[in-house]
Amino acid sequence: EAGVAQSPRYKIIEKRQSVAFWCNPISGHATLYWYQQILGQGPKLLIQFQNNGVVDDSQLPKDRFSAERLKGVDSTLKIQPAKLEDSAVYLCASSLDPSGNIQYFGAGTRLSVL
Amino acid sequence: GDSVTQMEGPVTLSEEAFLTINCTYTATGYPSLFWYVQYPGEGLQLLLKATKADDKGSNKGFEATYRKETTSFHLEKGSVQVSDSAVYFCALSDRIAGGTSYGKLTFGQGTILTVHP
Repeated sequence: EAGVAQSPRYKIIEKRQSVAFWCNPISGHATLYWYQQILGQGPKLLIQFQNNGVVDDSQLPKDRFSAERLKGVDSTLKIQPAKLEDSAVYLCASSLDPSGNIQYFGAGTRLSVL
Repeated sequence: GDSVTQMEGPVTLSEEAFLTINCTYTATGYPSLFWYVQYPGEGLQLLLKATKADDKGSNKGFEATYRKETTSFHLEKGSVQVSDSAVYFCALSDRIAGGTSYGKLTFGQGTILTVHP
């Protein structure tokens, strides 16, 4: 079974530029999560989708971050414009169980904002 | 709100030593508890979980017991190996009483474990 795929693995941009991350969850997984992991901290949920609907985006900085999952499968997370404090690893996870008890994580995208 | 506190690291051990990584939590509902592991260059992997009080999760020689009275979920292993070197995250997923969980995971800050031969 293929795991959660994310791309790119690494991205370096300058502040005020835009960037987008892509995630393809495990086939058949209805729930998709985006987490932000700042160096030395645990991951923090940014947004959760159930199929193509948003379940929780309470911690998403909506003035600069956006995410979509139009067909209920893959998803993109965008930052526009980026700030220095957005430097982090962006993790995508998916789960089969609607209660989300077991989440499977991708390898992440490491973003450096200069 | 929900929170998870892990012992500060890094933790450095010799091979075959006993491992304990402390984890305590604060939650308003009836959380499920998890340990995730992150090996260098890889994504987070579920190590073990427990869904109710007094449950013991175990995998690959690691164990953790859900202690509601002390709100703890400490990770233990009797004899660590060099291959256990990784970052370990304690996490919880809260459930609304009588309902289903949205599945949001709240993580601790992680503990870096290094095992020397």
